[in-house]
Amino acid sequence: NAGVMQNPRHLVRRRGQEARLRCSPMKGHSHVYWYRQLPEEGLKFMVYLQKENIIDESGMPKERFSAEFPKEGPSILRIQQVVRGDSAAYFCASSGSGNQPQHFGDGTRLSIL
Amino acid sequence: QQPVQSPQAVILREGEDAVINCSSSKALYSVHWYRQKHGEAPVFLMILLKGGEQKGHDKISASFNEKKQQSSLYLTASQLSYSGTYFCVSAGTGGGNKLTFGTGTQLKVEL
Repeated sequence: NAGVMQNPRHLVRRRGQEARLRCSPMKGHSHVYWYRQLPEEGLKFMVYLQKENIIDESGMPKERFSAEFPKEGPSILRIQQVVRGDSAAYFCASSGSGNQPQHFGDGTRLSIL
Repeated sequence: QQPVQSPQAVILREGEDAVINCSSSKALYSVHWYRQKHGEAPVFLMILLKGGEQKGHDKISASFNEKKQQSSLYLTASQLSYSGTYFCVSAGTGGGNKLTFGTGTQLKVEL
C-alpha cells in the first residue's frame, strides 16, 4: 500500500502526558498537512510542512503543539501536556506539489483520560 | 469562514439522484470535493480549478461557478456505496494550500 501511513491508529494518554503522532506521506510526495477533526465536525487545518520547513502553521494552537518533517523519516505532530480537549481524530495528508489534490491517511484517534 | 453546504443531510433510495450545494462568502479559487465514511479518512473525489468548469467521473459530477462563489455536486442513480459525509473544500491561491472544509452534507442511501 503506497498510501499515506499514519501511526498509531489509536492513542490513549493521561492528562499531562505527551502524544506523538507519525505520518509517512505517499511515495513521491514532499508536502504534508495535518488536520484535526472533532466528532460530527469537518476537518480543521493545523499545519503545512515541506521537507524540513514549516510553510503555514496558522491553524496550530500557540502552545503545546509542534510539528516537524525531517529530511529523513516521517512527519511528527507532537502534543505536550495533553488535556481532555485534545481528544480528536488527527489526519495527515500529502500531495506531490502545492496545487495537487491532498490524499489522506486513516488518522490517529487520540483519547485523553 | 468555512463554505456552507446544503442540505445538511439527505436520505435517498437507491437509484435516486441528489444535488449538494456549496457556497462561500470568500472568493473561491478552486473547489475540491471529498467524501468521508464514518471512522475513515476523507477520500478525494474531484477538483475544479476554473470558473464554469464541470467535471465528473462515474455517476458523480460537479460544477463550479467562480463568479457566484458556488459549487454543486451531482449524484445520479445513487448506490449504497455513496453513503457518507460529503465535504466541499476550498483552497486558497498559490501553492501548498491549506484546505478549508465546508460544513458537510450527510448522505444516506437506503434500499
